[in-house]
Order: sequence, then C-alpha cells, then structure tokens
Amino acid sequence: DVKVTQSSRYLVKRTGEKVFLECVQDMDHENMFWYRQDPGLGLRLIYFSYDVKMKEKGDIPEGYSVSREKKERFSLILESASTNQTSMYLCASSILTVGGGFTGELFFGEGSRLTVL
Amino acid sequence: GENVEQHPSTLSVQEGDSAVIKCTYSDSASNYFPWYKQELGKRPQLIIDIRSNVGEKKDQRIAVTLNKTAKHFSLHITETQPEDSAVYFCAASRTGGFKTIFGAGTRLFVKA
Repeated sequence: DVKVTQSSRYLVKRTGEKVFLECVQDMDHENMFWYRQDPGLGLRLIYFSYDVKMKEKGDIPEGYSVSREKKERFSLILESASTNQTSMYLCASSILTVGGGFTGELFFGEGSRLTVL
Repeated sequence: GENVEQHPSTLSVQEGDSAVIKCTYSDSASNYFPWYKQELGKRPQLIIDIRSNVGEKKDQRIAVTLNKTAKHFSLHITETQPEDSAVYFCAASRTGGFKTIFGAGTRLFVKA
C-alpha cells in the first residue's frame, strides 16, 4: 500500500510567518505534487517535482516555494504566510512513466489544514 | 486555459437510488479521466478511471462513460448506500504530462 504522510494535520500561523509543510512517501515514486483544496474550486496544482532537486510550477505557484532534497520528501514553503493562504494542502505522489509524465493515478496524503490569522 | 467543469455541486439521493455526476473538459488532448472519492476528513482516493480508447468502464456499482466528441464524461453509481456519501472529483490529464485538472467536486448525500 502506498503511503503518503503529511507531517501536520492542522496548523495555525500568523500573517508573515514562514511555514513549512512536509510530505514523505514510501513507494519510491519519482513524481510528487502539492495541491491546494478550496471549496468550490476543487484541487489546484501549486508545484510538482519529477526528480530530486527538480521542481516545476503548477497553476498557482505565487507565494509558495518547494524543496525536494531527497526522493521521498517534498516540502512546501510559504515564505510569508498571508490570510488568503488559509486552505487545505494535499501532497500526492505518482509513478513516472517511460518517456516522462505519469500514469495518471495520484496517491494523496491526508492533508494539512492551514489557518493563517 | 484548461479546465474541467463538474455538475452538480451537491446531490442528494435516497438509499438505493442511482446518482450521476457529469463533467466536461476543455483540453482535447486529455486522454485519462480519473474519479476520486474523498470521505469527510480523509484523503482523496481513486475509485475508477477511464482512458480515451474506451467508451465505458464498470466496477461493481460504479461506472464511468466517456464521449470524446463532446468532451463529456460521467460517473454513475447504482444502488447507492450511505457509505457512498462523500465528495467526488472528476479529473483529466494527458499522457506524458504532469498536470491533472480537477473539477470543483460534487458533494453526494445518500439518505438512509
């Protein structure tokens, strides 16, 4: 069974604080993703990574950065948290297919609900 | 840009009835269409998927249909049960890509 673990289920931070969200997967997946989930907006891709030290912007990267120093770990960083970053953050991983991309199936973590006051 | 529209946003059915959720995608190059179920407080999990080379796929009480010409795909749940109550997301992606575009989600309530 694929396991994707997010370090914090609930966080409360203040405006301007630096926030780290950690994600670890145990299935040796090459691809890792950070999504943001908001009611009525579905899941929106923030950043993804297909290899160690590689990162690519998703659809809403503004205000976020990421780090992938090890294959199993993908971190999302909010350099200076703002109230509009209050949301549920979901990490996911997937297998890299030959030729690039992924098979399609995403394996999600339980989510980290961040509240910025 | 690419998007996936999903309807309805909320659906309430009586136990035993059928439920249908519909999605429309904009990127004609999309060729993989997964459906994820997210129970309250849980992670989204893949429940069924379909690739563009087939028109229908079934797995017990759930089925997905795809109309490539119209760029529509739908999830059908028959004989609904209370444990089917959850948020369902449709999504679309393409081979060789990394992006999955999700619909806004449908909250399904199954009343016992």
